Amino acid sequence: EIVLTQSPATLALSPGERATLSCRASQSVSTYLAWYQQKPGQAPRLLIYDASNRATGIPARFSGSGSETDFTLTISSLEPEDFAVYYCQQRNNWPPVTFGQGTRLEIK
Amino acid sequence: EVQLLESGGALVQPGGSLRLSCSGSGFTFTKSAMSWVRQAPGKGLEWVSSISGSAYSTFYRDSVKGRFTVSRDNSNNTFYLQMNSLRAEDTARYYCAKHRSRPEGVGYFYDFDHWGQGALVTVSS
Repeated sequence: EIVLTQSPATLALSPGERATLSCRASQSVSTYLAWYQQKPGQAPRLLIYDASNRATGIPARFSGSGSETDFTLTISSLEPEDFAVYYCQQRNNWPPVTFGQGTRLEIK
Repeated sequence: EVQLLESGGALVQPGGSLRLSCSGSGFTFTKSAMSWVRQAPGKGLEWVSSISGSAYSTFYRDSVKGRFTVSRDNSNNTFYLQMNSLRAEDTARYYCAKHRSRPEGVGYFYDFDHWGQGALVTVSS
């Protein structure tokens, strides 16, 4: 089973700042990595698939990069609605698909 | 607009059974693989089970194999998770999720482009 490790666990930033979230895989997942956003009391929402492709309706301030074992989600300029928990997920080696433990992005 | 609606969540005693349902609309249900993903209180996301559009293929995480059964009724755009021999560690909100479809319309990927709001399952005496 591929283990995904996200860092940091919590990131405190202010609106307008740039956020950089990391996801590291225990073995190569090629570019088969997705990112999700989850707000309190809501279901997850797909942001990025295949490492760098924005899902339908996702603002351009969200971008993804990386391959093999190291991936990054960048939010170029934080909006108030971006403060949430973010999860990465791999689909290269399944079952099972696996998720990272999440990064909580909170307002500083 | 794609919509997924779960039902069937409840409080159940250890060793008991429960069936979750997820009805879908706004997409071609018969062509869509579907999964159940759970989230224990205050914890992260955990994939549970998947079923192909035709129901020919099903997959489970090890901890639920032999206890959970995924199925679907394409005539009613609904899929199910039958959960038997429930344990305290199965306590979670269970989300149904639609797999992202291939652009050409045949096949799917193992990531999830639409989610329901979840059904809460609590296993406790």
